[in-house]
Amino acid sequence: QSVLTQPPSASGTPGQRVTISCSGSSSNIGSNTVNWYQQLPGTAPTLLIYSNNQRPSGVPDRFSGSKSGTSASLAISGLQSEDEADYYCAAWDDSLNAPYVFGTGTKVTVL
Amino acid sequence: QVQLQESGPGLVKPSETLSLTCTVSGGTISSYYWSWIRQPPGKGLEWIGYIYYSGSTNYNPSLKSRVTTSLDTSKNQFSLKLTSVTAADTAVYYCARASYSRGLDYWGQGTLVTVSS
Repeated sequence: QSVLTQPPSASGTPGQRVTISCSGSSSNIGSNTVNWYQQLPGTAPTLLIYSNNQRPSGVPDRFSGSKSGTSASLAISGLQSEDEADYYCAAWDDSLNAPYVFGTGTKVTVL
Repeated sequence: QVQLQESGPGLVKPSETLSLTCTVSGGTISSYYWSWIRQPPGKGLEWIGYIYYSGSTNYNPSLKSRVTTSLDTSKNQFSLKLTSVTAADTAVYYCARASYSRGLDYWGQGTLVTVSS
């Protein structure tokens, strides 16, 4: 049912760089900005990146986002154990889909 | 600091109506899209819909026929009603504040609603 496609899993050792992709279409990522959410185990999601590459106050600069065409990506540099979580991309959608669409989610594991 | 808190029954019988309320504190219900999102156990996030502070609404087409949202500005609350529920509606339901520029920037802690007889 998710409109945006992400890899189901990603992993890395502490200190490594991990990248998560998010693929959409012209009606969502192609024409609107992308947001990323982090969901730690057993908790509500929190906003991690907004407007493609902006970090809310309090989010470490290890997290960065980018967008190109109908795809986006989230990078985690200097991976830490506390980064083990589910990550979701999302965007507003201008088509007959839901007005706001989420990605399928990526589970990041710190080895 | 804006805070949101969901409240409502944790158990709903099949075919009945799920009703939840979200109370907003630390800010007013204005200039934002007050939203509902759900997450079935072990699965991803699904957007349910929003109500704008002006009262306009927009819902997920897959749920549109069963969803209603409302706003009570005097209480700083907004609500969700989902009719004719089935086991497939069992999920953690979140309320959140949304804007076009920042997405969903404040979330409630979520409340698990189980549909079962």
